[in-house]
Amino acid sequence: DTGVSQDPRHKITKRGQNVTFRCDPISEHNRLYWYRQTLGQGPEFLTYFQNEAQLEKSRLLSDRFSAERPKGSFSTLEIQRTEQGDSAMYLCASRPPGAYEQYFGPGTRLTVT
Amino acid sequence: AQSVTQLDSHVSVSEGTPVLLRCNYSSSYSPSLFWYVQHPNKGLQLLLKYTSAATLVKGINGFEAEFKKSETSFHLTKPSAHMSDAAEYFCVVSNFGNEKLTFGTGTRLTIIP
Repeated sequence: DTGVSQDPRHKITKRGQNVTFRCDPISEHNRLYWYRQTLGQGPEFLTYFQNEAQLEKSRLLSDRFSAERPKGSFSTLEIQRTEQGDSAMYLCASRPPGAYEQYFGPGTRLTVT
Repeated sequence: AQSVTQLDSHVSVSEGTPVLLRCNYSSSYSPSLFWYVQHPNKGLQLLLKYTSAATLVKGINGFEAEFKKSETSFHLTKPSAHMSDAAEYFCVVSNFGNEKLTFGTGTRLTIIP
């Protein structure tokens, strides 16, 4: 069990650019979640997958955001035309079948200049 | 609907003294409740969970929490604080059948040597 991994750990981009983040869940965890955490706040839910199906999206996930989980393994989160308000920590979590708790990765910190 | 209120944004205790971090929750159904800890530049780590079994829950590193339905509370305690306990602590709720976790705004715990 190597834990949830995320790449990159840090990303600095200019406003208007597109960025993509990757999350590798713990193996055999069929559920995968994305959260966003801004400074001084708790993480907020963005979306989740059960296997390859995206089953729920938060209102926070604007049209500029898209997430995929091809083949039910790793997931990517893309932000198009980034804005300064997108600056945050993006967290990925996974959950095994039958469990209630989620296991979090170290996050990707995005800074939009 | 589900929500969490962490009653203190910052708690300071002396090393070796008890720790109490307070959390009240709101949930429409039988909730699952969690405490997560976040050390600087580290990912969120699960401390303990309540999922409708015993109301007194023991977690890692000597932490405990008690589920009190009548008070809608889930306070986190530890008998004796250690310097390594300094971190941000999040109380988290999830309704049965709801995939997303709802986080409180966090309590920063400072340990005074």
